[in-house]
Amino acid sequence: DSGVTQTPKHLITATGQRVTLRCSPRSGDLSVYWYQQSLDQGLQFLIQYYNGEERAKGNILERFSAQQFPDLHSELNLSSLELGDSALYFCASSGTSGLGLNSPLHFGNGTRLTVT
Amino acid sequence: AQTVTQSQPEMSVQEAETVTLSCTYDTSESDYYLFWYKQPPSRQMILVIRQEAYKQQNATENRFSVNFQKAAKSFSLKISDSQLGDAAMYFCALYSGGGADGLTFGKGTHLIIQP
Repeated sequence: DSGVTQTPKHLITATGQRVTLRCSPRSGDLSVYWYQQSLDQGLQFLIQYYNGEERAKGNILERFSAQQFPDLHSELNLSSLELGDSALYFCASSGTSGLGLNSPLHFGNGTRLTVT
Repeated sequence: AQTVTQSQPEMSVQEAETVTLSCTYDTSESDYYLFWYKQPPSRQMILVIRQEAYKQQNATENRFSVNFQKAAKSFSLKISDSQLGDAAMYFCALYSGGGADGLTFGKGTHLIIQP
């Protein structure tokens, strides 16, 4: 068990809808990362938050947004959903703003999103 | 931009034998970190082993070891005494800090263990 909690495990929704994915980092970790894993694109970095502030942005669509709350949990909001947004969404956490030997990424079990 | 390439989409090995998974990368940074993650059918992402570019000594974790060739930008994973539980997707990943873009992952290698 990595200590990173993601809810829900599965989500099925229709095109055009909006969903929110939730992540609680490991106890003591200040950084939260969001990744999208799809068959054609592999694992893509979306966005990172550190102690409530946006730290880095990757291949995140404008229809997607995220935030990290004072209790350090994070939410990823996906709106105007398209069929191509179907994927496994991972949250990961680390203890510092950057990564390293003593601060690797620890992943949650992911949320499987299916858009129909 | 940094890249990670895993040229073997799938590998197969007999139980108890040794297998090596390949990974090459490219980055303009001088200090960086390399990781191998395992993703079994349960879809968890599990950290297997990690290496800092400045350390010449290859990292080892029990049956898992790496062959880090900095000049060649190569970071292969060797699994000794393969076990059925090693069957999974294996992802090589690179972090070079700087722009703090998180980890860059390769496309993965699907490892099959033949009993």
